[in-house]
Amino acid sequence: GAVVSQHPSWVICKSGTSVKIECRSLDFQATTMFWYRQFPKQSLMLMATSNEGSKATYEQGVEKDKFLINHASLTLSTLTVTSAHPEDSSFYICSALGQGKDNEQFFGPGTRLTVL
Amino acid sequence: QKEVEQDPGPLSVPEGAIVSLNCTYSNSAFQYFMWYRQYSRKGPELLMYTYSSGNKEDGRFTAQVDKSSKYISLFIRDSQPSDSATYLCAMSEGEGKLIFGQGTELSVKP
Repeated sequence: GAVVSQHPSWVICKSGTSVKIECRSLDFQATTMFWYRQFPKQSLMLMATSNEGSKATYEQGVEKDKFLINHASLTLSTLTVTSAHPEDSSFYICSALGQGKDNEQFFGPGTRLTVL
Repeated sequence: QKEVEQDPGPLSVPEGAIVSLNCTYSNSAFQYFMWYRQYSRKGPELLMYTYSSGNKEDGRFTAQVDKSSKYISLFIRDSQPSDSATYLCAMSEGEGKLIFGQGTELSVKP
């Protein structure tokens, strides 16, 4: 089955530093990947849509200069949280759009970011 | 009004019970309807995927869609402690973008 990995699974950083999170589709090619953010006991909120070879599309209210997305290949998308602050602490989850059923997305295991 | 409404629970049931989880939505353009299960600190796992009104069954799980009422349900039969998780409904107009419900936290007691 389709597998999506994320690295790292958790990260702790100091305020003001930048953190890069990788999302990989391991056994299929994904032209489209999505980045979500989830606060405790809340649902997933879509941050941006990442398309291979083009600029990401950000949802309203998401700062594109703060959350840099690069989809450099058909199996890798990265999310960089720049100048992280404690309010950026959250669970970040990526998904990849499968090539089979319409709109079937396969989710990564998530990355827990804690900014001190 | 949120596009997708889901009772956050928590919901606690005894082992073997039938569980009913529900979502309502306001956007009539939604065409695809999904249910995900999410364990604590893990990514969501797809359980059911439907795109038409009616019922779809997979083992102990049954997904029901009523487009006329803008209402979807997930039924879990013979619930097990391992079913304890947060269940999220999600919907899409067909361009890949998913809108999630708030999630219902389910606990199945042995």
